[in-house]
Amino acid sequence: AQKVTQAQTEISVVEKEDVTLDCVYETRDTTYYLFWYKQPPSGELVFLIRRNSFDEQNEISGRYSWNFQKSTSSFNFTITASQVVDSAVYFCALRGYNNNDMRFGAGTRLTVKP
Amino acid sequence: ETGVTQTPRHLVMGMTNKKSLKCEQHLGHNAMYWYKQSAKKPLELMFVYSLEERVENNSVPSRFSPECPNSSHLFLHLHTLQPEDSALYLCASSHPLGQGTQNEQFFGPGTRLTVL
Repeated sequence: AQKVTQAQTEISVVEKEDVTLDCVYETRDTTYYLFWYKQPPSGELVFLIRRNSFDEQNEISGRYSWNFQKSTSSFNFTITASQVVDSAVYFCALRGYNNNDMRFGAGTRLTVKP
Repeated sequence: ETGVTQTPRHLVMGMTNKKSLKCEQHLGHNAMYWYKQSAKKPLELMFVYSLEERVENNSVPSRFSPECPNSSHLFLHLHTLQPEDSALYLCASSHPLGQGTQNEQFFGPGTRLTVL
């Protein structure tokens, strides 16, 4: 069974603060993929990153960084110096290596106030 | 612009109506998906088509009927829906499924459906 847990339902920060969104997953697959998506108010899910289970190297892309720790089954997402435009719902997702089914977490609503 | 379009963006229908949702992708993908997003619930995968064949049907009621006439188009036919079917219906596409394929899904903007 696959499961993704995003324990933080809502987070509110003030602009320029750093914020970390947590994601914990469960899977019996030895090889799998993890994803983060952003859903702004317009509704469309925007792909942010894919991480393979066999690649534990952390990644940084501008103000975004991701910390993948297989030992704790976590794939956390940090936004540095947050901006109002970062306000959205963020989803973490998991897909098995040969699995059609991508499981999403419940999402974390991030509000960045000016 | 992600290359996946959905029409209509908003739809209000009665329980006895028949309507269809349309999805079109311009990304050269061969797999397409329907998801349902209800308030305060995780995204639920409804159907998966790969190379125009349905490969996944997650116990979706028969009042939802998908159709994939080609790799670029996906429809969701709606008939005799219930008020609890009101939700955001999202379409996605990706490269073909298969061993080792790193196929992130690209989503359309969704259709906001309200069933009265």
